[in-house]
Amino acid sequence: GENVEQHPSTLSVQEGDSAVIKCTYSDSASNYFPWYKQELGKRPQLIIDIRSNVGEKKDQRIAVTLNKTAKHFSLHITETQPEDSAVYFCAASIRGSYIPTFGRGTSLIVHP
Amino acid sequence: GAVVSQHPSRVICKSGTSVKIECRSLDFQATTMFWYRQFPKQSLMLMATSNEGSKATYEQGVEKDKFLINHASLTLSTLTVTSAHPEDSSFYICSARVPGVPQETQYFGPGTRLLVL
Repeated sequence: GENVEQHPSTLSVQEGDSAVIKCTYSDSASNYFPWYKQELGKRPQLIIDIRSNVGEKKDQRIAVTLNKTAKHFSLHITETQPEDSAVYFCAASIRGSYIPTFGRGTSLIVHP
Repeated sequence: GAVVSQHPSRVICKSGTSVKIECRSLDFQATTMFWYRQFPKQSLMLMATSNEGSKATYEQGVEKDKFLINHASLTLSTLTVTSAHPEDSSFYICSARVPGVPQETQYFGPGTRLLVL
C-alpha cells in the first residue's frame, strides 16, 4: 500500500516568514495529493490539492509543488500569519482509489 | 460547500457502556462515508469505509464487533463503540465523498471527542 512521510513534525516561524512542509510518497500510481489544515479540536479542512498532471498550483499565499519523478510534494505558505498556526496534513490517493493515505502531520506555529 | 455534521461533539461515558456517534451529510447524499480515529498529536487513522445499504469495510486491525457501523440512509452513518474502555478514548471523525466532485475529495465532520472513564 501507499506510504506517506511528512516532515518536519513541528515548524516554528516568525510572522511574515515563509513555511515549507514536505511529503514523500511511495506508490507511483498515486495521482491526487490534497493538503488539510486542522486547528486544535476541529475538523480537517481541505486547503489546496494537486493532481499528478500538474507540477505546481497556487492559491493566494498557499502553493503546492509536485515532483512525480522524485515522488515528493510540498506545501509553501508565504507571509505567514498567526492564524496559519495549525496542524497540516498531506495525503496521497492512488489512482482508482478514493481513500487517501495521510502523513503524520506538521504542527505549524507562527509567532506574532 | 458540502457540510458534514457529527453528533455528539463530545461524550463522557463509563467503562462497559456503548456509545453511538452519528455522522450526517446535510446538503448532499453520501453513498460512502469514512470513519477515522485520531489520537492526540497524531494523524488520522482510517477505521472503516461505510457503504449505504451494505456492510462496512473495516481496515486491518479494527475490530468489527467493537466498532459497529451502520449506513442505513444516504445521509446518515453511525458508529457504535460497544463496551467502551478507557483505551477507546479518542477523537473520532467521519468524512464523506461528494457526488459529482472529484472522487478523491473528502469533507470531514467536526469530530466527536470520546472519553471513557
